Amino acid sequence: RKEVEQDPGPFNVPEGATVAFNCTYSNSASQSFFWYRQDCRKEPKLLMSVYSSGNEDGRFTAQLNRASQYISLLIRDSKLSDSATYLCVARTGANNLFFGTGTRLTVIP
Amino acid sequence: NAGVTQTPKFQVLKTGQSMTLQCAQDMNHEYMSWYRQDPGMGLRLIHYSVGAGITDQGEVPNGYNVSRSTTEDFPLRLLSAAPSQTSVYFCASRTDRASEQYFGPGTRLTVT
Repeated sequence: RKEVEQDPGPFNVPEGATVAFNCTYSNSASQSFFWYRQDCRKEPKLLMSVYSSGNEDGRFTAQLNRASQYISLLIRDSKLSDSATYLCVARTGANNLFFGTGTRLTVIP
Repeated sequence: NAGVTQTPKFQVLKTGQSMTLQCAQDMNHEYMSWYRQDPGMGLRLIHYSVGAGITDQGEVPNGYNVSRSTTEDFPLRLLSAAPSQTSVYFCASRTDRASEQYFGPGTRLTVT
């Protein structure tokens, strides 16, 4: 079983739509969680960390449910520039970062 | 700051050849890691280092060697390339275990 699982998509949404991605992790000892964004043929870049109480950064909201071991990312008012692959990441221990395979989002004009 | 740099950007090898992928960072980060990214598999950790002179294996270390003689550099060596090592390789660094990880632009390797 993979450490982190995501729906690969693709999600095709119109501009202005709200879209949500979910991710589950298998190791209950995972300590930290992140969402990374990866553009086509580019390196991943940190979008936001995910905190237990949930956190928001502009149009992006991340939530963590430790009991169910899932993480979510909500994007409101989607922009064309949001088109990318979103990677869910869980950290276990000192250096074990486990990446999901990513969810591809395409925002359509 | 240049951040994390990787060379080469692209490489084609024949089975059995060896080569070194270079990685350097100018942010004085202690932690450095090598990942490979394959379709449907996500990023997988190959080797990592928590400081100069200290390296350890990740999830998929077989067929790769690393060394960390300086804080800045963390080369990845392919000992005898195999087609299964065709992948995109990313080097990454961060200040400590809890901080944001910065990735290099990647090396696309094809082994024929």
